[in-house]
Amino acid sequence: GAVVSQHPSRVICKSGTSVKIECRSLDFQATTMFWYRQFPKQSLMLMATSNEGSKATYEQGVEKDKFLINHASLTLSTLTVTSAHPEDSSFYICSARDQKRGNQETQYFGPGTRLLVL
Amino acid sequence: SQQGEEDPQALSIQEGENATMNCSYKTSINNLQWYRQNSGRGLVHLILIRSNEREKHSGRLRVTLDTSKKSSSLLITASRAADTASYFCATATYQAGTALIFGKGTTLSVSS
Repeated sequence: GAVVSQHPSRVICKSGTSVKIECRSLDFQATTMFWYRQFPKQSLMLMATSNEGSKATYEQGVEKDKFLINHASLTLSTLTVTSAHPEDSSFYICSARDQKRGNQETQYFGPGTRLLVL
Repeated sequence: SQQGEEDPQALSIQEGENATMNCSYKTSINNLQWYRQNSGRGLVHLILIRSNEREKHSGRLRVTLDTSKKSSSLLITASRAADTASYFCATATYQAGTALIFGKGTTLSVSS
């Protein structure tokens, strides 16, 4: 089946630094990827929709200048948390659709990246 | 934004019992999906039910969908300790590129 990877799986950084998280579709192409954030004991909240070759669409309340999304190719989207603060500590999960399979229903989720900002 | 609301928020049962979780949503949907998440891990897709379907089975899982009430239920029969996890419903409305919107989830604990 389709596989989505994320790197790194865990990252610890100091407050004020920037962290880049990669989301890759390993065996399929994805024009659209999605980024979610999950705080402890809470659900997944959609942050943004990443579109290959164009600007990301951000959900209300998500700062686009703080969470930079780049979808430079059909297999890679990156999320950069700029000037990270402790409140950005969370579990970040990406998902992607396989455009070639023409299946608009199935999304494939990455394993998630746990970010801890000290 | 959040679409679905699950209840109960937490459910504790004994092995062998059935577990039922409910999900309500607010807008029209194309499909509704259920996912499982073990603590601190990624999501596992369990089952998808389309808006024109009323019931679906997969192994020990049974999902129902009532679009008139905008609700769905997930039944896990003969539960096992390994079923202990958080369960989320997620709804999809298909315009181009629309994401899944997740409910708040139900935490299931199955004790042996």
